[in-house]
Amino acid sequence: DVKVTQSSRYLVKRTGEKVFLECVQDMDHENMFWYRQDPGLGLRLIYFSYDVKMKEKGDIPEGYSVSREKKERFSLILESASTNQTSMYLCASSSPSGYLLSYEQYFGPGTRLTVT
Amino acid sequence: AQSVTQLDSQVPVFEEAPVELRCNYSSSVSVYLFWYVQYPNQGLQLLLKYLSGSTLVESINGFEAEFNKSQTSFHLRKPSVHISDTAEYFCAVTKNTNAGKSTFGDGTTLTVKP
Repeated sequence: DVKVTQSSRYLVKRTGEKVFLECVQDMDHENMFWYRQDPGLGLRLIYFSYDVKMKEKGDIPEGYSVSREKKERFSLILESASTNQTSMYLCASSSPSGYLLSYEQYFGPGTRLTVT
Repeated sequence: AQSVTQLDSQVPVFEEAPVELRCNYSSSVSVYLFWYVQYPNQGLQLLLKYLSGSTLVESINGFEAEFNKSQTSFHLRKPSVHISDTAEYFCAVTKNTNAGKSTFGDGTTLTVKP
């Protein structure tokens, strides 16, 4: 079974802090995603990576950056946390080609971030 | 660009009643369609998917969805719900030209009451 893990389930940070959210998948998937989930707004894509060191902005990249130095790990960085970044953050992975073909996305359990 | 509309944000039903969660999409190209379920304090997990072939797809826990190309819909149904089906359900589409990024609906909260 594909497993996607996120470094923290709950996180509380102060305004202005630099925040790192880590995501690791164990199925050699090419694609990895970061979403934020807010009530009534569904899932909104922050960033997407389709290979090591490759990234693409999603719908709401402002205030965030990402890093993918290894295939299995995708990090989301909040350079200077603000209260409007309080949210649930979900990481996912998928494999759009090859023998691991799986068009669906596999999600981690989420990190609930509170910025005070 | 593609978009997904889930027509109901909240659906309350009694246990053992039938339920339908509605999903419409728009896209200029062919798409793959998905339903995901999210139980409280968990991530999303795949419930069922349509890639090609039979337009009626089923999950292992009794849900089914039918792809209707003319109406651009992919409604989710279950003939008899259980308390344990209480969760949030998300419809998603992915272009079949780039099976990478998905567009998600805003979600439907299904609450099953005893």
